[in-house]
Amino acid sequence: AQSVTQLDSQVPVFEEAPVELRCNYSSSVSVYLFWYVQYPNQGLQLLLKYLSGSTLVKGINGFEAEFNKSQTSFHLRKPSVHISDTAEYFCAVSDPNNNDMRFGAGTRLTVKP
Amino acid sequence: KAGVTQTPRYLIKTRGQQVTLSCSPISGHRSVSWYQQTPGQGLQFLFEYFSETQRNKGNFPGRFSGRQFSNSRSEMNVSTLELGDSALYLCASSSYLGYEQYFGPGTRLTVT
Repeated sequence: AQSVTQLDSQVPVFEEAPVELRCNYSSSVSVYLFWYVQYPNQGLQLLLKYLSGSTLVKGINGFEAEFNKSQTSFHLRKPSVHISDTAEYFCAVSDPNNNDMRFGAGTRLTVKP
Repeated sequence: KAGVTQTPRYLIKTRGQQVTLSCSPISGHRSVSWYQQTPGQGLQFLFEYFSETQRNKGNFPGRFSGRQFSNSRSEMNVSTLELGDSALYLCASSSYLGYEQYFGPGTRLTVT
């Protein structure tokens, strides 16, 4: 089965600075990859997804991620963060042959003024 | 389209009781998955239903069960509640195998 490792549990950053949230996965088959964001007391909201095609994926709120098959990574980036980006971010991987979606432990992004 | 809805949003129960949570998926979605989220264990997969059949199951005791109706609405039941069952229970629906899942706002269950 596939698995996901988010390398940083917490990432503090100042407003308007760039940020990268790291995600590595392992799987014996080709996978689909996702990033979700969770604000306090809410469900998860899809930020972006990689199913196939271009390895650079653009999502909502100015986020983008790059799929790197050789390094089995799918890091999330934003060139300039805002206070409102403070939230928990989850990387997820799913097997195209079923709905078995696995989530990483999450990265808490805190944007400071 | 309306999003995934979950009821109730908040619930307080006593140890030993049972509870039923409800989830209505996005219209047209036939797959519904359930997750438990706690600060210590993170997001853990409970089970997934597709066309009224349980297709995948996580590593949870038999006290956790679910079902799906012909209109794709799903319910999750937890019997003989324990303090450790306090968590945010999230429901998600999807349309195709392996594609993105859309999450509801969750049900916050507190067991006292």
